[in-house]
Amino acid sequence: DVQLQESGPDLVKPSQSLSLTCTVTGYSITSGYSWHWIRQFPGNKLEWMGYIHYSGSTNYNPSLKSRISITRDTSKNQFFLQLNSVTTEDTATYYCARKDYRYDGFAYWGQGTLVTVSA
Amino acid sequence: QIVLTQSPAIMSASPGEKVTMTCSASSSVSYMHWYQQKSGTSPKRWIYDTSKLASGVPARFSGSGSGTSYSLTISSMEAEDAATYYCQQWSSNPPTFGAGTKLELK
Repeated sequence: DVQLQESGPDLVKPSQSLSLTCTVTGYSITSGYSWHWIRQFPGNKLEWMGYIHYSGSTNYNPSLKSRISITRDTSKNQFFLQLNSVTTEDTATYYCARKDYRYDGFAYWGQGTLVTVSA
Repeated sequence: QIVLTQSPAIMSASPGEKVTMTCSASSSVSYMHWYQQKSGTSPKRWIYDTSKLASGVPARFSGSGSGTSYSLTISSMEAEDAATYYCQQWSSNPPTFGAGTKLELK
């Protein structure tokens, strides 16, 4: 079965960039579907951030469009999140997830990684 | 973007009690997904495409709705159902989530 695992620093300083990796096992990210980043703020609000499609195309939340980039390394079956110019408001648990078809929702999630933005 | 409003924010139910929670959309959507999240774990897809149960979800759960009004119902509350439930839409970009309904065991 497909599994997703987030990794990256748990502390980032304000104004720096946040970089996370999602390692996927059990399914090739180039074979199908879309691969997403979703975050959950303290207080539990969920925000969709963006995705990279198996074709390599990307789509981002307009609220983040100027700061976000999602890329991939197909040789390692990983995809990445970069969020620039972070502030304390970006403190959240970051999840990677897979969405299959249009009406499917986010069927698979990683365990999440808490990133704190603080000086 | 479409705003999803879930109600109630917090509720409690006794074992065996019927539970209904709602999700209201600021504009009409074609379908709704629901996720269950327990403390310290990632959300799990619970109901998708309005009324389809995800794999392993007990048959006491059901989903319904259309347009701007959707609901999740538990026919008979069990202790393991205590969790927070989130609705989510992607009829309109960007996809958005509701703030959640926290269901507690009475």
